[in-house]
Amino acid sequence: DAGVIQSPRHEVTEMGQEVTLRCKPISGHNSLFWYRQTMMRGLELLIYFNNNVPIDDSGMPEDRFSAKMPNASFSTLKIQPSEPRDSAVYFCASSLAQAGRSYEQYFGPGTRLTVT
Amino acid sequence: AQRVTQPEKLLSVFKGAPVELKCNYSYSGSPELFWYVQYSRQRLQLLLRHISRESIKGFTADLNKGETSFHLKKPFAQEEDSAMYYCALSGLSGSARQLTFGSGTQLTVLP
Repeated sequence: DAGVIQSPRHEVTEMGQEVTLRCKPISGHNSLFWYRQTMMRGLELLIYFNNNVPIDDSGMPEDRFSAKMPNASFSTLKIQPSEPRDSAVYFCASSLAQAGRSYEQYFGPGTRLTVT
Repeated sequence: AQRVTQPEKLLSVFKGAPVELKCNYSYSGSPELFWYVQYSRQRLQLLLRHISRESIKGFTADLNKGETSFHLKKPFAQEEDSAMYYCALSGLSGSARQLTFGSGTQLTVLP
């Protein structure tokens, strides 16, 4: 398996523009997580899905952020409109949540977002 | 509520010296703990999990339930160990399990 795939790897956009980040989890995994990493705040969980259903979105900072998971192999994180303070590295991770299984998450390479 | 505390934001040691990265947790149930490592500008990678009782790249971590700690140790640090290290706890939150990460410790191994 290629692991968790994220695209784009880098995104530079102007304030006010819409940004869409994409994630393909590991095949067979049933949980998907979106994180944001900044120097100031470290690693923050934004939202996570279990079996394509959003379970906890309490970490989503504002209504400008939205996430979808239309099927088991694809998820998007959208920021509309984007602001300079959204600049960060956004990680997607997936895991297989199953009783009796070790619960590690596998991370993608991240998308480095710069909003000017 | 579950919480993971890594008290040291930055840690520097000399090559060949022992290193210990501290991690304390708060969780009312039976936790599952992990250490993740992130090398410069790369993805987070799982380093080790407590249930495996393994040693990876010379690192070990023992779960101490009495002290609610899961410190990461290596007897002889190497320059290539320089990275950000995150301690994480897997516990039930509502109806589902999720990982709670600590704030991370940036380890620098000096030549």
